[in-house]
Amino acid sequence: AQSVTQLDSQVPVFEEAPVELRCNYSSSVSVYLFWYVQYPNQGLQLLLKYLSGSTLVKGINGFEAEFNKSQTSFHLRKPSVHISDTAEYFCAVSEIWGSGTYKYIFGTGTRLKVLA
Amino acid sequence: SAVISQKPSRDICQRGTSLTIQCQVDSQVTMMFWYRQQPGQSLTLIATANQGSEATYESGFVIDKFPISRPNLTFSTLTVSNMSPEDSSIYLCSVVGRGTGPYEQYFGPGTRLTVT
Repeated sequence: AQSVTQLDSQVPVFEEAPVELRCNYSSSVSVYLFWYVQYPNQGLQLLLKYLSGSTLVKGINGFEAEFNKSQTSFHLRKPSVHISDTAEYFCAVSEIWGSGTYKYIFGTGTRLKVLA
Repeated sequence: SAVISQKPSRDICQRGTSLTIQCQVDSQVTMMFWYRQQPGQSLTLIATANQGSEATYESGFVIDKFPISRPNLTFSTLTVSNMSPEDSSIYLCSVVGRGTGPYEQYFGPGTRLTVT
């Protein structure tokens, strides 16, 4: 069965510093990968996705992520964070079964706290 | 992307009562889902809402507790029945929209439920 692991439950970082949020997954089949952000008292917003092609994907708000198939990872990065990036970040995986499936498995989330 | 609204945005309910949550999308969508996000935790899929037929429930969720309707391609409801304090959660509706990329889900703002 597939699973998603976000190793860091909380990541504090100073403003303008770089950040990396880690995501590892396990699956016996090919997958699609996603990062979502959840601001306080809001729903989830899609940050970026990996479906195929280039393993480095760029998303909104200056975020990017790199798919590493051999390490089954999809880490999220930003070179310089802002106070407004403070939020909960979720990694999600959708397995590809040919006939099409839209079911996600979510990681447990990483709370990014940007410090002034 | 689809614009999704949920009603109510929050509610406080008494034990033993039921609450129906509405999810409205501004365009026809392929698939609709209901998730639960318990305090400080990740998202768990409750069920896939199927248009014109019974919903498909995930392990651990049953129709008697979480009846779901989806009368058309833009609207769905989730009822939380015979509530207990353990049902206190955020309930999120998500959709896969027509014309969006494969497997991308878009989330509503959520309904914050507190059961006393």
